[in-house]
Amino acid sequence: EDKVVQSPLSLVVHEGDTVTLNCSYEVTNFRSLLWYKQEKKAPTFLFMLTSSGIEKKSGRLSSILDKKELFSILNITATQTGDSAIYLCAVEGTNAGGTSYGKLTFGQGTILTVHP
Amino acid sequence: EAQVTQNPRYLITVTGKKLTVTCSQNMNHEYMSWYRQDPGLGLRQIYYSMNVEVTDKGDVPEGYKVSRKEKRNFPLILESPSPNQTSLYFCASRPRASGANVLTFGAGSRLTVL
Repeated sequence: EDKVVQSPLSLVVHEGDTVTLNCSYEVTNFRSLLWYKQEKKAPTFLFMLTSSGIEKKSGRLSSILDKKELFSILNITATQTGDSAIYLCAVEGTNAGGTSYGKLTFGQGTILTVHP
Repeated sequence: EAQVTQNPRYLITVTGKKLTVTCSQNMNHEYMSWYRQDPGLGLRQIYYSMNVEVTDKGDVPEGYKVSRKEKRNFPLILESPSPNQTSLYFCASRPRASGANVLTFGAGSRLTVL
């Protein structure tokens, strides 16, 4: 059974701090790992990672994947109050033939609170 | 506007009273899925559909039914709701099961079962 564990479960920081969110996973036949941001509504897509060691970057957010150690990190630099949200990590595997079987497994999420 | 639309957004009901949460997408996506979100447990997949007339159980299918008679619609049916089904529900879709797997989520439906 696929499994995703995120840490920490919650984090409180002040504006300007840098945070690192962790995601470790177990999945049969890894296909991809995704990060989502959830404010008081539906999750919105941040990054999709498929290869180890290649950093994905968008503004102050960046993420990297380590397929050997089975984890990913999401970094946020110079945090702002608008970064306050739940950050979700998800993984998808494939069947033995390499075809997606459509199942995305999410972690518990990390609740990030950024104080002014 | 490309979107996933869920209804109702909020619902309070009583144990045993059948209800349906509708989900519709206007992006011609083949793949659709339902999740529930509970504090400390993240998003858990209930059912998913790879295409019309093809549905499969996710991690927590007990107490739920789905159907996929048309590509755009994927309703979630609670035949006899119980209090442990009180949760926030999300419908999501993506173009194909085998293609880019970035999901588009609906706005969520908050269900309370008394």
